[in-house]
Amino acid sequence: KQEVTQIPAALSVPEGENLVLNCSFTDSAIYNLQWFRQDPGKGLTSLLLIQSSQREQTSGRLNASLDKSSGRSTLYIAASQPGDSATYLCAVSKSGGGADGLTFGKGTHLIIQP
Amino acid sequence: DTAVSQTPKYLVTQMGNDKSIKCEQNLGHDTMYWYKQDSKKFLKIMFSYNNKELIINETVPNRFSPKSPDKAHLNLHINSLELGDSAVYFCASSQEAGRSGANVLTFGAGSRLTVL
Repeated sequence: KQEVTQIPAALSVPEGENLVLNCSFTDSAIYNLQWFRQDPGKGLTSLLLIQSSQREQTSGRLNASLDKSSGRSTLYIAASQPGDSATYLCAVSKSGGGADGLTFGKGTHLIIQP
Repeated sequence: DTAVSQTPKYLVTQMGNDKSIKCEQNLGHDTMYWYKQDSKKFLKIMFSYNNKELIINETVPNRFSPKSPDKAHLNLHINSLELGDSAVYFCASSQEAGRSGANVLTFGAGSRLTVL
């Protein structure tokens, strides 16, 4: 059974700092890994998707890496801003089929202090 | 235009009642899902459904029944509501397996269910 763990559970940093969120998964047989952002009272927004054959993906100030063999991914946020405050969720997909859905971590609650 | 829309956004009801949450997607996706996010913010899949097959998570009580009138809709019906059913329920959709964009999920805004 796949388990996804995110560390830290919560993080508070001053604006402008670079930061790293960590995600680990127990079964390396994944199809892809996604990072989501969840704002209070709202749904999830997909930030980055890394296919199992890829090592990293970048979007603006965000960079996600994937080390499938060790079961780890990191989300790097550069020059953090107060608007980055949210809960960040890591999720893995077991197969190419969507039917199995995603297995999520519990998230990292991020607060960027102005 | 909202890609995945859920109604109602908030639902407060008494134990023992039967309630439904509706979900509609206008993305032309083939697969839809229901996820439950509990008080500890843990998201877990409940069901996935495409126009061929309903996949039921074994840990979901049979009081929960998804109903799909067509591939753009997947409604969640809950019988005999219990206190532990209180959670936020998220609907999502994605392209069918094997197609470009498979497993890239688009989520609705969530429906907060409170059972008193």
